[in-house]
Amino acid sequence: AQSVTQLDSQVPVFEEAPVELRCNYSSSVSVYLFWYVQYPNQGLQLLLKYLSGSTLVKGINGFEAEFNKSQTSFHLRKPSVHISDTAEYFCAVSDKEGGSEKLVFGKGTKLTVNP
Amino acid sequence: NAGVTQTPKFRILKIGQSMTLQCTQDMNHNYMYWYRQDPGMGLKLIYYSVGAGITDKGEVPNGYNVSRSTTEDFPLRLELAAPSQTSVYFCASFRTGGFGEQYFGPGTRLTVT
Repeated sequence: AQSVTQLDSQVPVFEEAPVELRCNYSSSVSVYLFWYVQYPNQGLQLLLKYLSGSTLVKGINGFEAEFNKSQTSFHLRKPSVHISDTAEYFCAVSDKEGGSEKLVFGKGTKLTVNP
Repeated sequence: NAGVTQTPKFRILKIGQSMTLQCTQDMNHNYMYWYRQDPGMGLKLIYYSVGAGITDKGEVPNGYNVSRSTTEDFPLRLELAAPSQTSVYFCASFRTGGFGEQYFGPGTRLTVT
């Protein structure tokens, strides 16, 4: 079965600073990778996804992620964060074990953007 | 489209009580899922369904039951509530061929005291 490791549980940054949220997954077989964002007291919203093709994936709100197959990583980046980016971010990987389609989530990274 | 809707938004239960969390989707997705989210633990899959009449256990099914009589609805039943079931519950849906992307409801915050 797949597993996902988000290396930082909390990341505090100042407004307009760059940020990187790190994610590693367990398997090198063909997978789909996702980043979801959860704003306070809300559900999860898709930020971006990697299916195939270009290893640099662009998402909403200026976020991007780079797929690195050899390092089994899918790190999320933003060159300049805003206060409104304060949220929890979840990395997820597709899992088709047993023929059913599921997602396996990391434990999340809380991004806090300070003025 | 309303997407995925969940009711109620909040609920407080006493130990031993039972309740049903409702989930409905209007996107004609065949897959539906129930997750629980606990602080610092991410999302854990409770049960999922690949279509009407077909359900299967996820990672943490104990203490829960589900049914799927229609494509749209996927209720989650707690029979004997325990404090360990205090959590935020999310329902999600997915369409085969949709490249893995799941669509989430707004969540139900449940407290068992």
